[in-house]
Amino acid sequence: DSGVTQTPKHLITATGQRVTLRCSPRSGDLSVYWYQQSLDQGLQFLIQYYNGEERAKGNILERFSAQQFPDLHSELNLSSLELGDSALYFCASSVYTGVPDTQYFGPGTRLTVL
Amino acid sequence: GQQVMQIPQYQHVQEGEDFTTYCNSSTTLSNIQWYKQRPGGHPVFLIQLVKSGEVKKQKRLTFQFGEAKKNSSLHITATQTTDVGTYFCAGRRGGGSNYKLTFGKGTLLTVNP
Repeated sequence: DSGVTQTPKHLITATGQRVTLRCSPRSGDLSVYWYQQSLDQGLQFLIQYYNGEERAKGNILERFSAQQFPDLHSELNLSSLELGDSALYFCASSVYTGVPDTQYFGPGTRLTVL
Repeated sequence: GQQVMQIPQYQHVQEGEDFTTYCNSSTTLSNIQWYKQRPGGHPVFLIQLVKSGEVKKQKRLTFQFGEAKKNSSLHITATQTTDVGTYFCAGRRGGGSNYKLTFGKGTLLTVNP
């Protein structure tokens, strides 16, 4: 158990819909990262937040957005869903002390778009 | 953009055989991390390499970072069934506030008992 929690564990929805994935980081970690894992693309970095502010952006689509709240939990919003958005979405957290540090991954949310 | 290539994509070994996965970056990396993901699980951090030519060992696992800081390898000696999973390398380019990790596509290791 990494200490990072993600809800829901599974999500099944239809094309065109909008969903919200939730992540609570490990106690004391200020930074949250979102990743998308699919069979063909591997593990793709989406976005990073640090203490409520966006810090780095990866291959995140415009239909996707994220935020980190004052209590440090984060939400990833996926809208106008397409079949290709079906994937495992991982959240990771780290202390982020200004030097490269370990990321602790949550158990993931499996999204299926029908 | 930065690319991290990992080979092989799959490796099947008999228990007791050695295993190596290789990671190559198109650009010089500031550091590289290795993760293991068990089937149905999430990536778990194994180690981080920072210095040119660095070698680190964890029991049967040996990690190397190339002199040019563009490649890395993970070698497992005498594999066991508990080693099954996908091994990912993840490289970070630059320093400062650049915390974007670029992951390789991973090597799936299966071990025949």
